[in-house]
Amino acid sequence: AQSVAQPEDQVNVAEGNPLTVKCTYSVSGNPYLFWYVQYPNRGLQFLLKYITGDNLVKGSYGFEAEFIKSQTSFHLKKPSALVSDSALYFCAVRDPWAGNNRKLIWGLGTSLAVNP
Amino acid sequence: DAGITQSPRYKITETGRQVTLMCHQTWSHSYMFWYRQDLGHGLRLIYYSAAADITDKGEVPDGYVVSRSKTENFPLTLESATRSQTSVYFCASSESTLDEQFFGPGTRLTVL
Repeated sequence: AQSVAQPEDQVNVAEGNPLTVKCTYSVSGNPYLFWYVQYPNRGLQFLLKYITGDNLVKGSYGFEAEFIKSQTSFHLKKPSALVSDSALYFCAVRDPWAGNNRKLIWGLGTSLAVNP
Repeated sequence: DAGITQSPRYKITETGRQVTLMCHQTWSHSYMFWYRQDLGHGLRLIYYSAAADITDKGEVPDGYVVSRSKTENFPLTLESATRSQTSVYFCASSESTLDEQFFGPGTRLTVL
């Protein structure tokens, strides 16, 4: 069965330090992978996606993610965290070979707190 | 304004009442989605639509009805609201199922 795991409910990091938000997945084919961010009382915003090609994907607000197929992982990273990065982060995956199964599979989210 | 809007933003209703949540997008995206977000459950898909007059169930469709007579609108109706439907509801749209989804600001629904 397709699934997405975000193993950490919460990540705390000091401002200026690098941050990583983890995501692993399980799909039957080559995955399409997405990261979204949700600020308080707002809808989700798209950050970046991996479809094919370069395994290192760069996205909005200085975020990047690396697709590592052997580890079935797609961790979100940023070299230097800002307090304004504090938000809820969601990983999502779709199996493009899933035929009529058109839905994204969502992780449960990771709350990132960046401390001044 | 371009984008995706939801109305109302906040709604309080009583058990048994019918409630309709509105969603409107200006991009002419083919696909539209309704999710609910609850603590501990993340995002759960209620219904989605591939085009006008084409809708399909998601993970948690029971108690909800959707329609899509026009590409830009995708209303969600709770036919007889229950307390378990207290949640934050998000509408989203995308050009295709392989593209990123764009989300509305959400509707916070409380059923008393």
